[in-house]
Amino acid sequence: EVQLVQSGAEVKKPGESLKISCKCSGYSFTTYWIGWVRQMPGKGLEWMGIIYPADSETRYSPSFEGQVTISADKSINTAYLHWSSLRASDTAMYYCVQTQHYWGQGTLVTVTS
Amino acid sequence: DVVMTQSPLSLPVTLGQSASISCRSSQSLIYSDGNTYLDWFQQRPGQSPRRLIYKVSNRDSGVPDRFSGSGSGTDFTLKISRVEAEDVGVYYCMQGTYWPQTFGQGTKVEIK
Repeated sequence: EVQLVQSGAEVKKPGESLKISCKCSGYSFTTYWIGWVRQMPGKGLEWMGIIYPADSETRYSPSFEGQVTISADKSINTAYLHWSSLRASDTAMYYCVQTQHYWGQGTLVTVTS
Repeated sequence: DVVMTQSPLSLPVTLGQSASISCRSSQSLIYSDGNTYLDWFQQRPGQSPRRLIYKVSNRDSGVPDRFSGSGSGTDFTLKISRVEAEDVGVYYCMQGTYWPQTFGQGTKVEIK
């Protein structure tokens, strides 16, 4: 059974860094692209970027280029989404997704002073 | 980016009746391999999105046959026949032909 299990909710201050994770199981991790999707409170879905774990090739949506970093560790079948300096506007639910079919449970990130 | 436009944005429906959601793309979604990468997702309140339909009209496993997708080029439709209470939520179309992939604004389905 394919499962994507994300790390837990986070509360951070503006300017802090954060890395959230997505642990994948039930399939060959290096075979499929993993993506990250943002959903701001009460809003719709936005693609942030995708990574191919076999070689870490990464593509970012122009709206998120330079704002976040997507990475993967194929030794532990885990993908990551990293911010070096959070803003209040990063407050959102973040989902990892594999081939659009399998979704993680979401990680709620709250950035507040 | 390819803009996906859904209508209506709110859809009150009577239990047992059918409902249709339209999705239009700002350019053709036919890819060079001949496929059209248009998916439909359901997001129930408090849950992660779930894909219902892929490549216009293919139902994912476990999706009731009350859900059907159709369309071509730039115009697509999701139809829900015999709406049930469990169908309440927000429905999104998404194009996967071009990067970045883009979603429609979402259509909120509620029971009258």
